[in-house]
Amino acid sequence: DVKVTQSSRYLVKRTGEKVFLECVQDMDHENMFWYRQDPGLGLRLIYFSYDVKMKEKGDIPEGYSVSREKKERFSLILESASTNQTSMYLCASSLPNQPQHFGDGTRLSIL
Amino acid sequence: GQQVMQIPQYQHVQEGEDFTTYCNSSTTLSNIQWYKQRPGGHPVFLIQLVKSGEVKKQKRLTFQFGEAKKNSSLHITATQTTDVGTYFCAGPIRGSQGNLIFGKGTKLSVKP
Repeated sequence: DVKVTQSSRYLVKRTGEKVFLECVQDMDHENMFWYRQDPGLGLRLIYFSYDVKMKEKGDIPEGYSVSREKKERFSLILESASTNQTSMYLCASSLPNQPQHFGDGTRLSIL
Repeated sequence: GQQVMQIPQYQHVQEGEDFTTYCNSSTTLSNIQWYKQRPGGHPVFLIQLVKSGEVKKQKRLTFQFGEAKKNSSLHITATQTTDVGTYFCAGPIRGSQGNLIFGKGTKLSVKP
């Protein structure tokens, strides 16, 4: 069974901090995705990656960056956290053109 | 741009009643996927429909893909409290290798 593991379920950080969210998948999937989920707005894609060292902007990349140095790991970085980045962050992985498998999510609060 | 609309946004039903959520795409889709997110959980893939007019069943859940491959529906017969959650439809973004465009979901609550 596919396992997508996010490093933290809950995280509290302060405004201006650099924040790292980690995601690891164990099924050798090429594709990895970072979404944020807010009430009434559904799932919004931040960044995605189809291969190691490859990254593409999603719908809302501003204020975020990503890193994919190894196939199994996709990191989301908040360069200077702001209160409007308080949200649920979901990582997903998939084979090309196949359904996505999600991690449990990280509920991030920026104070 | 490509859009996927889902209605209703919320649905409250009495246990035992039926429930339907509808999904409409602005473009023809190669396939449609359905996901369920339980309260406090993450989206979990339910099913994928590929063929025009396709109907698939999973126990009390019936999924349909429209003839024009632009709309889809999920129908639950005789809802149970275990059906509570948000149901999302999603379609592939054209030209991508697996990016999905998600509907905003229908949140189902079931009163015992």
